Amino acid sequence: GQSLEQPSEVTAVEGAIVQINCTYQTSGFYGLSWYQQHDGGAPTFLSYNALDGLEETGRFSSFLSRSDSYGYLLLQELQMKDSASYFCALFTGSNYQLIWGAGTKLIIKP
Amino acid sequence: ETGVTQTPRHLVMGMTNKKSLKCEQHLGHNAMYWYKQSAKKPLELMFVYSLEERVENNSVPSRFSPECPNSSHLFLHLHTLQPEDSALYLCASSPDASGRIETQYFGPGTRLLVL
Repeated sequence: GQSLEQPSEVTAVEGAIVQINCTYQTSGFYGLSWYQQHDGGAPTFLSYNALDGLEETGRFSSFLSRSDSYGYLLLQELQMKDSASYFCALFTGSNYQLIWGAGTKLIIKP
Repeated sequence: ETGVTQTPRHLVMGMTNKKSLKCEQHLGHNAMYWYKQSAKKPLELMFVYSLEERVENNSVPSRFSPECPNSSHLFLHLHTLQPEDSALYLCASSPDASGRIETQYFGPGTRLLVL
């Protein structure tokens, strides 16, 4: 089957760096996406990795390693507003379908 | 603001009621989606429309009925729901009509409670 695993919760300190991992089991896919969702809000797109390596967008970076079957989202210089849930999602190429992880709740302490 | 709006934001209904959820996208996208989001679970894709035609129906009970009258609007008609249908219902859109999804744009969702 196809599945994504993420930690259910991660805690970090304001100003620090945190990494949220996403491991997957699938026979093949096109890319890995990351979404952020604040409580009561809509999921918003953060990044998409089609190739192995690091994609950087400001304080957020996303990494993919197909050989190791995992990716991660790296958040730097954490701010209180980064407290949210973060979801990874795989686009496998099946028509319009994404496989979603269950999400990681990021708790940031002052 | 993501360019995708949903109404109502909150809905409480009895098991015998009929209600409809509405979604509108202002992005000129070609594909629209309904998802169900339950706590601590992955998003569940319910329906997909591309260029106003349904392309996916992921074994959703018939008490959920989608409608896509045009490329900007999507409805989810609800009738005789069960308490386990209580969840956040998210609408999303994506630009491409070819089936490729790199990014999706989500609405804020409708929080549904079935009593």
